[in-house]
Amino acid sequence: QVQLQESGPGLVKPSETLSLTCVVSGYSISSAFYWGWIRRPPGKGLEWIGTVYHSGSTYYNPSLKSRVSISLDTSKNQFSLKLSSVTAADTAVYFCARHSGGYANFDYWGQGTLVTVSS
Amino acid sequence: QSVLTQPPSASGTPGQRVTISCSGSSSNIGSNYVYWYQQLPGMAPKLLIYRNNQRPSGVPDRFSGSKSGTSASLAISGLRSEDEADYYCAAWDDSLSGAVFGGGTQLTVL
Repeated sequence: QVQLQESGPGLVKPSETLSLTCVVSGYSISSAFYWGWIRRPPGKGLEWIGTVYHSGSTYYNPSLKSRVSISLDTSKNQFSLKLSSVTAADTAVYFCARHSGGYANFDYWGQGTLVTVSS
Repeated sequence: QSVLTQPPSASGTPGQRVTISCSGSSSNIGSNYVYWYQQLPGMAPKLLIYRNNQRPSGVPDRFSGSKSGTSASLAISGLRSEDEADYYCAAWDDSLSGAVFGGGTQLTVL
């Protein structure tokens, strides 16, 4: 059974960098599939942040591209998100999920982690 | 402002049939599959419909999806109290080279 688990600080100060990690179990991320980050701000809908392919290629939401970096660590079977220069608008529940290339079929999800941006 | 447009809310009584619409454009729904997600309070989204109208194993056949042109819809028949959740449509967008979601529809079972 494929399982994903997010981890990282729950509180980040404005202008700093948000860093989250998603540990995958039950499947080798270097085998195939795309690995993505999605967030849901309070009172709002889901927003795709970006995706990393098992080869290391990345795809980012154009609205966040200048501040986002997603990378793989195949030795630990995990992938990570970095979002720089955060503001209160980046406060959200952040999810990691698996999908196929060119499809929005997020079939396995982490349980989500709340990140609050506040001083 | 979400790329895909959904009504913010929908409601029905137990046993009724409810439909939720999702409108997009030629670069997303018009040229790619549509997916639907159900998000219960405090939970991660769950894939409900894939490839426009296919149900993953374990999803009741009360849930059905359809697509026509640049629009799609999710229908829930025999509405039950446990169907009360937020529902999202999603598709890949060729212009953005990324996934796009609808703003979500909050379903209330009266």
